[in-house]
Amino acid sequence: EAQVTQNPRYLITVTGKKLTVTCSQNMNHEYMSWYRQDPGLGLRQIYYSMNVEVTDKGDVPEGYKVSRKEKRNFPLILESPSPNQTSLYFCASRNGAGELFFGEGSRLTVL
Amino acid sequence: GQQLNQSPQSMFIQEGEDVSMNCTSSSIFNTWLWYKQEPGEGPVLLIALYKAGELTSNGRLTAQFGITRKDSFLNISASIPSDVGIYFCAGDGGVQGAQKLVFGQGTRLTINP
Repeated sequence: EAQVTQNPRYLITVTGKKLTVTCSQNMNHEYMSWYRQDPGLGLRQIYYSMNVEVTDKGDVPEGYKVSRKEKRNFPLILESPSPNQTSLYFCASRNGAGELFFGEGSRLTVL
Repeated sequence: GQQLNQSPQSMFIQEGEDVSMNCTSSSIFNTWLWYKQEPGEGPVLLIALYKAGELTSNGRLTAQFGITRKDSFLNISASIPSDVGIYFCAGDGGVQGAQKLVFGQGTRLTINP
């Protein structure tokens, strides 16, 4: 089944404790992206990647890092999480027709 | 930057009613996408539109790409309880190529049985 898989789905952590949210897609898409979703603010793009080893900032990149060493994986790294990074995070990949496919989301709480 | 205005923000309807929502932009888009998000899940693609004037249906859902390329609407006919969720429009402006989708704020649909 074609899908985007994120882990963990739920995480509670403390300020400053580094964490990584993994994302994997099995559709051989070149383009992948991370979004955060907050009430009243909608979906905002954090980082995107056009292809392996090519990443770029989205609208809200501060406090986040990404890497794209292989086509299928696009992890999101929070080196020193802060409470304002409490949010619902979505990974997505995009096909050649421009259609974006989302993972099921990762709900992160930073205490 | 590019922005999308989606309306209405929320809708409370009776089962069986038709639903209409739309998105407008101050700039031109090359692609319009409509998504539905249910609680605890990621947005799921409903309909994709690629040409100005295009009208596309997916079951009880119909969406159109506006002639001016600055707007799109989504209609749901004869609503049923499983239509409940948040509906998002998204547009690809093409200014930076294919890497930038702009999302509307969403329309929250509630259905009274």
